[in-house]
Amino acid sequence: SAVISQKPSRDICQRGTSLTIQCQVDSQVTMMFWYRQQPGQSLTLIATANQGSEATYESGFVIDKFPISRPNLTFSTLTVSNMSPEDSSIYLCSVEDTLGRGPGYTFGSGTRLTVV
Amino acid sequence: QKEVEQDPGPLSVPEGAIVSLNCTYSNSAFQYFMWYRQYSRKGPELLMYTYSSGNKEDGRFTAQVDKSSKYISLFIRDSQPSDSATYLCASFVTGGGNKLTFGTGTQLKVEL
Repeated sequence: SAVISQKPSRDICQRGTSLTIQCQVDSQVTMMFWYRQQPGQSLTLIATANQGSEATYESGFVIDKFPISRPNLTFSTLTVSNMSPEDSSIYLCSVEDTLGRGPGYTFGSGTRLTVV
Repeated sequence: QKEVEQDPGPLSVPEGAIVSLNCTYSNSAFQYFMWYRQYSRKGPELLMYTYSSGNKEDGRFTAQVDKSSKYISLFIRDSQPSDSATYLCASFVTGGGNKLTFGTGTQLKVEL
């Protein structure tokens, strides 16, 4: 299965600033997914990033707030812009993966973001 | 109504107990049903998946899907302290971008 390296693992940021989260995969993948996991809530899909095209955002998420880059088939970044305390959450990247047990998705370890 | 509902727990059981974790869903189009395990400060890892209705067994874990009642279950036999984690159910429809819809997760603690 794919191995995902996500950086940073955690950060504390001032409101109004931006943070860029990096996701590196050890194999080429077509689609990469960015999720948000807020305390007590489900993982929520932010957007799907395909190489060579604009990311597709889910309802409630916009490009100005969460710009995404996908420069090649192994790398993507998610930026959380103009942060407020409400953006405090865990952000996870994921790739579609055949895990030997059928369809599935592999996740990075996540970035724990606290906005103060 | 959320598409996938899951009791958040926490659920505390003694070592060796049989654990039953459950989800309900509302989208009849869901075809794949998955269980993920998430340890603290880690990303979710796939435990098992089931296609459509039926049971699937993998060691101490059994996944069960009843599409008629839209009910998803995960059973853990002979639970161990190392099973202490948050368990998330998830579903998706093929051809719909394969987007996963997750439950909120159930926090499980297996005590010595």
